Amino acid sequence: SQTIHQWPATLVQPVGSPLSLECTVEGTSNPNLYWYRQAAGRGLQLLFYSVGIGQISSEVPQNLSASRPQDRQFILSSKKLLLSDSGFYLCAWKGGRAWREQFFGPGTRLTVL
Amino acid sequence: TQLLEQSPQFLSIQEGENLTVYCNSSSVFSSLQWYRQEPGEGPVLLVTVVTGGEVKKLKRLTFQFGDARKDSSLHITAAQPGDTGLYLCAVQGGFGNEKLTFGTGTRLTIIP
Repeated sequence: SQTIHQWPATLVQPVGSPLSLECTVEGTSNPNLYWYRQAAGRGLQLLFYSVGIGQISSEVPQNLSASRPQDRQFILSSKKLLLSDSGFYLCAWKGGRAWREQFFGPGTRLTVL
Repeated sequence: TQLLEQSPQFLSIQEGENLTVYCNSSSVFSSLQWYRQEPGEGPVLLVTVVTGGEVKKLKRLTFQFGDARKDSSLHITAAQPGDTGLYLCAVQGGFGNEKLTFGTGTRLTIIP
């Protein structure tokens, strides 16, 4: 069966510090991978998605970047965090027979102080 | 302008009552999904509806896709505290349908 991991689960960072959030998927190959941000109790905003290694599509201009160095690894980064980067970050994958559905990781709660 | 508007935004009802939440748009979609999200966790898919007018049941939850495939509803019968959560509708888009666009969400609280 497929599983998706995210770490860390929670993170508190000062303004101006760098960021690296990691997402890995097990049990599938060549998945589509996604990064979302969710404001408190609201819908999800798609930040980046990737259909393959090294292929990144950015949905909104922002202080963040994404990379996919391996087939099942997706990384969200920032060189200098802003207060507005605080939020709940979710990674998701899609692929295989479940071609419509996305499956989400447990999320990372980021607080920028 | 939001592609998907969900209503109500918040709903708090007593255990045992029935409720309906809505997901509306002016666009037509090939399919629509409903997810439930509990605090501190990622959303979990409940159902995908594909055909206009389609009704799907998942225990006490009934999902309907509008005839014109522009809207959907979720009806819960005899709500239980375990139904508490954020309910999100979502539709596919983008080239090759790679992306999901989520609605604004309905936060449901069931009071024991």
